[in-house]
Amino acid sequence: GAGVSQTPSNKVTEKGKYVELRCDPISGHTALYWYRQSLGQGPEFLIYFQGTGAADDSGLPNDRFFAVRPEGSVSTLKIQRTERGDSAVYLCASSSRSGSSYNEQFFGPGTRLTVL
Amino acid sequence: AQTVTQSQPEMSVQEAETVTLSCTYDTSESNYYLFWYKQPPSRQMILVIRQEAYKQQNATENRFSVNFQKAAKSFSLKISDSQLGDTAMYFCAFMKYSNDYKLSFGAGTTVTVRA
Repeated sequence: GAGVSQTPSNKVTEKGKYVELRCDPISGHTALYWYRQSLGQGPEFLIYFQGTGAADDSGLPNDRFFAVRPEGSVSTLKIQRTERGDSAVYLCASSSRSGSSYNEQFFGPGTRLTVL
Repeated sequence: AQTVTQSQPEMSVQEAETVTLSCTYDTSESNYYLFWYKQPPSRQMILVIRQEAYKQQNATENRFSVNFQKAAKSFSLKISDSQLGDTAMYFCAFMKYSNDYKLSFGAGTTVTVRA
């Protein structure tokens, strides 16, 4: 089926505004991940969901960032009071969790967020 | 915390030639995974190759192979018979066995294949 999709592809906002970034994982994948990729850098882990719950949100930089996955499928990353330093590509990935120790993460194309 | 270092910001290679990308990492873990990901201009990260630390044999996937030196904490990627479609950013990444979901990435190497 389809891969991981993310909307919007690009988002331009003004400093101080609120934004929502959406991720649609591969159907049937119970695990979902958000990463942030700043210009010229590799992605950095933000949060990991197993089903509906955030199993690890240690990568969220501060309390302006929040993510939800209410039905265990689609996830939304929410950023309040955006700052210019939030400008980055936000990547989402999903995987199955079959009980084996390794499950490949499949990435979406990302949302490029620009805060003016 | 794990750190992954890619010391080559950019590499250029002639089509059909071979290029090797370097990666070193720092960890106190004994069991872990190492990965190379490709990120073309479309931004979608694609897994190229995976290595499990307990395996001494170097992983190979078609034209892509790695040289894994556990003691030296080195994990290089060799691209043989380079093709124009190999042009992309390449990221080295680390994942602990005990935390088998959190990828730690290096800063990336831009590879340009010249016709």
